[in-house]
Amino acid sequence: DTVLTQSPALAVSPGERVTISCRASESVSTLMHWYQQKPGQQPKLLIYKASNLASGVPARFSGSGSGTDFTFTIDPVEADDIATYYCHQSWNSWTFGGGTKLELK
Amino acid sequence: EVQLVESGGGLVQPGRSLKLSCAASGFTFSNYYMAWVRQAPTKGLEWVASITNSGGSTYYRDSVKGRFTISRDNAKSTLYLQMDSLRSEDTATYYCTRRRSSYIDYWGQGVMVTVSS
Repeated sequence: DTVLTQSPALAVSPGERVTISCRASESVSTLMHWYQQKPGQQPKLLIYKASNLASGVPARFSGSGSGTDFTFTIDPVEADDIATYYCHQSWNSWTFGGGTKLELK
Repeated sequence: EVQLVESGGGLVQPGRSLKLSCAASGFTFSNYYMAWVRQAPTKGLEWVASITNSGGSTYYRDSVKGRFTISRDNAKSTLYLQMDSLRSEDTATYYCTRRRSSYIDYWGQGVMVTVSS
């Protein structure tokens, strides 16, 4: 299985820029996607195929990368963005990263 | 509006069976691949099974092969997950998801399955 590694948690302040990384154990081309999950809710698609913004998602969210290294950025962070963010690869079956929990400083 | 509504969860003893359903609306169900993704309490997301739009092909993660069966009824716009020989490690919230191209574009609200004696 392709393993996706994310940092477990990040502390941010509203108005800051935050970058979340996701490293794949093997190349996944650009088949990397990002989801936001708030407590008690289902995940929501934010970015698909590495850098494409999903419909209705604010332009504060962006993604980049290819191969094994990917980044997801929120700029600027708003209080409502406090959530857990998951990367997901679909090049080799489907696997998800462990999630990065965004917390307020 | 796309809606995916799961049902059928609950508390079940180890070794027993449970069948989840997902009622889809707001889109042409028969045009889309579908999948089940689960999330154990306080844990991350884990793909469980996928099915093509016709139902002709199915795919499973290794840990559920031979125990779980994904199926669909396109006439009823409903996705199913038959879960047999349940184990404690199957305890999770199960999400019905719609696959668009190579990613998930919609998730249901989830249904909880607890396997415990």
